[in-house]
Amino acid sequence: DADVTQTPRNRITKTGKRIMLECSQTKGHDRMYWYRQDPGLGLRLIYYSFDVKDINKGEISDGYSVSRQAQAKFSLSLESAIPNQTALYFCATSDYQETQYFGPGTRLLVL
Amino acid sequence: SQKIEQNSEALNIQEGKTATLTCNYTNYSPAYLQWYRQDPGRGPVFLLLIRENEKEKRKERLKVTFDTTLKQSLFHITASQPADSATYLCALEGRMNTGFQKLVFGTGTRLLVSP
Repeated sequence: DADVTQTPRNRITKTGKRIMLECSQTKGHDRMYWYRQDPGLGLRLIYYSFDVKDINKGEISDGYSVSRQAQAKFSLSLESAIPNQTALYFCATSDYQETQYFGPGTRLLVL
Repeated sequence: SQKIEQNSEALNIQEGKTATLTCNYTNYSPAYLQWYRQDPGRGPVFLLLIRENEKEKRKERLKVTFDTTLKQSLFHITASQPADSATYLCALEGRMNTGFQKLVFGTGTRLLVSP
């Protein structure tokens, strides 16, 4: 089984809808991250969490919120989706080392 | 401003040749640099990490160099195979205003290895 899983893998939604992307990991890592990837822009950090009680904004957090329900689960919400949030979203984990382990991604289309 | 540059043009090479990808950066002084591989529709996969005090790192057919004076890393794949075709991302340590050290990713270079 994959160490980092994301659901759903693909999602189409309409402008103004609230959606949640979920991430689970079995690596036992404390640190979890949400990124978005856009063509020509690379991976950009949305939110990161060092443990259940520690959540921090990344470089592009506006329009997003997160919830760390447990060490293994980290969810990303779009409260009111807009078309420029159409992107590929990745969850990642790491331990105290620098290497990050990524999930398979969620492809989101906002119409 | 801080910037990471990877060649946006795809690199096309023939099977068996050595592929060399470049990562240049400005206004960073990273303690380490990493390379990841990303296949279409999948998440990046870690390949190698090299620290500022290391000039070269090898893993099987992969070799990474890190020149902190030139602010450049080179990523080599020797005896390349079609299965090596993918996008390769470099990532280095960057520091946010909060002091948090985060990974900053380049946009990647696509490698195409033809039989």
